[in-house]
Order: sequence, then C-alpha cells, then structure tokens
Amino acid sequence: AQTVTQSQPEMSVQEAETVTLSCTYDTSENNYYLFWYKQPPSRQMILVIRQEAYKQQNATENRFSVNFQKAAKSFSLKISDSQLGDTAMYFCAFTPPDSNYQLIWGAGTKLIIKP
Amino acid sequence: DADVTQTPRNRITKTGKRIMLECSQTKGHDRMYWYRQDPGLGLRLIYYSFDVKDINKGEISDGYSVSRQAQAKFSLSLESAIPNQTALYFCATSDWIGDGSNEQFFGPGTRLTVL
Repeated sequence: AQTVTQSQPEMSVQEAETVTLSCTYDTSENNYYLFWYKQPPSRQMILVIRQEAYKQQNATENRFSVNFQKAAKSFSLKISDSQLGDTAMYFCAFTPPDSNYQLIWGAGTKLIIKP
Repeated sequence: DADVTQTPRNRITKTGKRIMLECSQTKGHDRMYWYRQDPGLGLRLIYYSFDVKDINKGEISDGYSVSRQAQAKFSLSLESAIPNQTALYFCATSDWIGDGSNEQFFGPGTRLTVL
C-alpha cells in the first residue's frame, strides 16, 4: 500500500526561526508529484508547494522550500523566517500514477509559531 | 468570489436524518472529490468523479452517496446520519492537464455534527 507518514504530530517554534516538517512516503513508482498543503485555523486547505519527482531541483516558494530525497522517499518542508500567520496544520500528500492519480495524504503536523 | 464553494458551512443534525452537502465550482474542472477530515487522520477520500458520468468510490464510501448534477456541481448525501459521521467535509476539484499532477483545489469545508 502507498502511504504517507508525517512523524511529528505537533511542533512549535519562535517567530523568525526556521522550522522543518518531515514527510516520508512509500511507493514503487518512479514518476509522481508531491505536495504540501497548509490548513490555518480558518480550515481552508491551501497549496504551499509542489515537487515533481523527476526534477532533482528542490522546489521553493518564497520562504517555503523542500528537501526532496527521492531515494530515501523523503519530502521535508522548510519554513524560513517563520511568521505568526504560518501557524496551521500542514499536510504532505503525493500522487502516484497507479492510484488513478488520487492524492495520498499524511495525517498532518500542527505547527505553532510563538511570538 | 471563491472558485469552490460549499453549502452549508456548518450543520448540526440528529441521528437518522438525511443530510445533503453541496459543492459548486467555477474553475471549469472536470474532476471533483469529497473528503472527510477527522483529527489525527488527515483527509480520507469518500467519492470522486472524473466527469458527470464517471463516479467512483473512495476509501470510505459506506454510509454516503453522491450525485454529479453537472460539471460544476457535486453533492454528498448521508442517507441516515450517525454520530461517527461527525467530521469536517471538504469538496475539491482538479483538472487533468496530462502531467499527472492532479493538484487539487479545495472548498472552505462543511462542519457537520450528528447528535
């Protein structure tokens, strides 16, 4: 079975610090997409960043970047200069082709940014 | 205006009642999804539809039914609600653009409580 594991149920850091959220996944496929979604207290699901597995270069979006280690099946999210508005649940997900391109989701990490 | 809307946003009902949650989208996407979110479990797929005539069961379809009335509308029904269906329900859409990414766009969610 294809799975996504987020090993940190909850994390907290001080504002302006850098924080890394971990995600590992299991698949036998070679081509797939990986995503990080953010769910703030408003409960809206917002795409943070995406990574294509065939690209070696790590994706970045402003203060958000990923460390994609394909061989290790690891896809961590780094948030630099964290802000109070980054407080949210963060979900890792991926799209393996043999699942009819459905998203497989992790259980989420609750991130709290402290002032 | 929001691209993916859900009604109602919140609903409290009693055991045994029939409930319908509605989803509409203006993104022009063919694919629509219903998810359920429970604390600590992430998102679980209930049903998905690739077009008006193509509806598929997801991971947890028992106790639910769906109707794709049009490309833009996808409703979820609980024929006889039970307390363990208390959860946050999300509708999502995606567009098949051939790259296999299946990036999904979410509605604001419906908080359902079954007493």
